[in-house]
Amino acid sequence: GAGVSQSPSNKVTEKGKDVELRCDPISGHTALYWYRQSLGQGLEFLIYFQGNSAPDKSGLPSDRFSAERTGGSVSTLTIQRTQQEDSAVYLCASSAGLDVETQYFGPGTRLLVL
Amino acid sequence: GQSLEQPSEVTAVEGAIVQINCTYQTSGFYGLSWYQQHDGGAPTFLSYNGLDGLEETGRFSSFLSRSDSYGYLLLQELQMKDSASYFCAVRDLNYQLIWGAGTKLIIKP
Repeated sequence: GAGVSQSPSNKVTEKGKDVELRCDPISGHTALYWYRQSLGQGLEFLIYFQGNSAPDKSGLPSDRFSAERTGGSVSTLTIQRTQQEDSAVYLCASSAGLDVETQYFGPGTRLLVL
Repeated sequence: GQSLEQPSEVTAVEGAIVQINCTYQTSGFYGLSWYQQHDGGAPTFLSYNGLDGLEETGRFSSFLSRSDSYGYLLLQELQMKDSASYFCAVRDLNYQLIWGAGTKLIIKP
């Protein structure tokens, strides 16, 4: 696609429910990144994929968070049993490769857990 | 631990020059990047320094000193549209991009 797309753009859920966030990277980009940004804060790195592989999952905040990527393209970030502290903007970015510095960001998913 | 320090807010006048500093302490270092983020928007890439020295891209320049673990972003001929938050970020040895908390640039006419 022309840019990185994310869906949904906004998500309101109740505490304890599971949510799934989707990221569609730029076509041909092998590297994909997930970040979380709380209001007025910097970005918190969550996980990256090179192809379908995520070599390091240590950035995920807890075992309620998981991510996968299939076909070297679309990625989903799943949060189980959501908590209020999970409320944030979840940003996805892609780049042509891990050794390419320019990351292109999607518009983000604004998650609110009530 | 890993940390990047940058001022929380900087104020400047339209047409002036402003410098945003960033110091870092990370486990390994591949390079320093700068991103711009307007309110409600997604970050956009501005520049990258992998080696010491100055990189210039139009009105924006970025500098790196690896021996001092320090870099800065220089914005010249400030325009109102430059009002945004600016983030420095360091790629560590695990390919993770570690981000500063951001500097809010306020530009006055």
